[in-house]
Amino acid sequence: SAVISQKPSRDICQRGTSLTIQCQVDSQVTMMFWYRQQPGQSLTLIATANQGSEATYESGFVIDKFPISRPNLTFSTLTVSNMSPEDSSIYLCSVGVADYGYTFGSGTRLTVV
Amino acid sequence: GENVEQHPSTLSVQEGDSAVIKCTYSDSASNYFPWYKQELGKGPQLIIDIRSNVGEKKDQRIAVTLNKTAKHFSLHITETQPEDSAVYFCAASASGGSNYKLTFGKGTLLTVNP
Repeated sequence: SAVISQKPSRDICQRGTSLTIQCQVDSQVTMMFWYRQQPGQSLTLIATANQGSEATYESGFVIDKFPISRPNLTFSTLTVSNMSPEDSSIYLCSVGVADYGYTFGSGTRLTVV
Repeated sequence: GENVEQHPSTLSVQEGDSAVIKCTYSDSASNYFPWYKQELGKGPQLIIDIRSNVGEKKDQRIAVTLNKTAKHFSLHITETQPEDSAVYFCAASASGGSNYKLTFGKGTLLTVNP
């Protein structure tokens, strides 16, 4: 299965600022997925990132708040913009590999103060 | 869209006992059902999955069963050990491939008491 490297692993940020999270995969994948996991909760899909096209956002998530880049088949970034304490969560990137299922990165633990 | 319900939300068992977690899904087009284990401070780890063309799959102490007619699937852990303690999530996807989103259940906190 794919190996995902996600950076940073954790951060504490001031409200009103932005944080960019990086996701690097050790193999080429068509789609990458970004999830949010609020404290003690399940995983909610933010958006699906395709290489060469705009990301597809789920209901309740907008591009201005969570811009995504996907410059090639092994890399993606998620930016959390104009942060507020409500954005404190774990952000996870995921990829699917045929016959191996979906693999997750170790996550970015974001605290907004 | 897909909706996945998971029960129970917490489960406490004695070491050596079996644990069963159940999920139901709403979208009859779903055909891929993975289970994830998430330990504190870590990302979810795939432990077993099943596709709609089979009814049961086993991997050592872990098994998953699927009933497509009733739209439910279950995780069975036998001979539980303290290291099995974690949060377990079920999920469903409308494709057996790798390019479709997963919809997750709310999770089950499993505690295995020594």
